Amino acid sequence: AQSVAQPEDQVNVAEGNPLTVKCTYSVSGNPYLFWYVQYPNRGLQFLLKYITGDNLVKGSYGFEAEFNKSQTSFHLKKPSALVSDSALYFCAVRDVDSSYKLIFGSGTRLLVRP
Amino acid sequence: ETGVTQTPRHLVMGMTNKKSLKCEQHLGHNAMYWYKQSAKKPLELMFVYNFKEQTENNSVPSRFSPECPNSSHLFLHLHTLQPEDSALYLCASSQPDSTNSPLHFGNGTRLTVT
Repeated sequence: AQSVAQPEDQVNVAEGNPLTVKCTYSVSGNPYLFWYVQYPNRGLQFLLKYITGDNLVKGSYGFEAEFNKSQTSFHLKKPSALVSDSALYFCAVRDVDSSYKLIFGSGTRLLVRP
Repeated sequence: ETGVTQTPRHLVMGMTNKKSLKCEQHLGHNAMYWYKQSAKKPLELMFVYNFKEQTENNSVPSRFSPECPNSSHLFLHLHTLQPEDSALYLCASSQPDSTNSPLHFGNGTRLTVT
């Protein structure tokens, strides 16, 4: 069965420092991976996706994610964090049994302090 | 604007009430979803509609009744709910025939059952 794990409930980082939000996955076959962000009182917003090709994927708001097949990871990164990046981040993997379903991780809260 | 509109944004209802949540998308998508987001729990997929046909019901209690009259509209009819049904209910849409297509979420309806 497909699954996604986000091992950290919360990540704290100072503004201007690099940030990493971790995600590992377990799928049979090729993984299709996604990152979403949720701001307070809002729905989830799509940030970026990995389907195939370059292992480093660039997305919205200066975020990028690195696909690592050997470590089955898809960590979200940003070189310089902003206070406004504080939000809840979800990693997701496409369900291989259904082309339109996503399996979400439990979410990681990112807190960027000034 | 996300392209997916949910109404109402907030709803308080008693356990004997009947109410409906509405979702509308103008993205030309053919798949629509209901998700439940509870505090400290992973995102739960409730229902999936693909070209107006229900293709997924994840063991959701019958007090939740979805309706999809066309590809642009999705409803969730609620009756005799329990306090544990209090949550953020998120609607999403996507193009089901593309594995690259991300989900587009609405801002959700915050439901409180008293």
